[in-house]
Amino acid sequence: AQKVTQAQTEISVVEKEDVTLDCVYETRDTTYYLFWYKQPPSGELVFLIRRNSFDEQNEISGRYSWNFQKSTSSFNFTITASQVVDSAVYFCALSEGAAGNKLTFGGGTRVLVKP
Amino acid sequence: DADVTQTPRNRITKTGKRIMLECSQTKGHDRMYWYRQDPGLGLRLIYYSFDVKDINKGEISDGYSVSRQAQAKFSLSLESAIPNQTALYFCATSAWDRANVLTFGAGSRLTVL
Repeated sequence: AQKVTQAQTEISVVEKEDVTLDCVYETRDTTYYLFWYKQPPSGELVFLIRRNSFDEQNEISGRYSWNFQKSTSSFNFTITASQVVDSAVYFCALSEGAAGNKLTFGGGTRVLVKP
Repeated sequence: DADVTQTPRNRITKTGKRIMLECSQTKGHDRMYWYRQDPGLGLRLIYYSFDVKDINKGEISDGYSVSRQAQAKFSLSLESAIPNQTALYFCATSAWDRANVLTFGAGSRLTVL
């Protein structure tokens, strides 16, 4: 069965520090998709990234970067030079097999960026 | 207006009452979902629908039912609410070719006393 673990429940940093959120997943499929979503204090979740299991290239989008390592079943997320607006709960998620299959979320990591 | 609108945003009810949460979308997406969020558990899928005639159970469908009234409308019902259904409920949509790239509503907070 698919499973996503986000071991860090809460991370507190000072503005401009880098912060890395860990995500470890379990799956028996060779084809799967990994996601990150952001839930700001307003509550509405926002999609950040989707990556399929055949694409192990790391990705950078502005201050956000993602490190996908199949060898360790991890899909970690780094925020560089954090800002107060980055304060949110971040969820990692996994779907096995075809892209439309059920999405399993991790428990989330709350990030607090202090000014 | 929001792409995905949920009503009500907050609801307090009593055990045994029937509750309906409504969701409408202007994204034109075929796929709609209902998730439940509990602290520390992330989001768990209750029901999903890939089109008007297609309804599927998620991982925690017991005690819930849904209706897809139109492509743009997907409602969630609790036939007889119980306290452990107190949670934050989210409706979400996705396009068929961007599966699981979800657009979420703002959430409906339900408290069952």
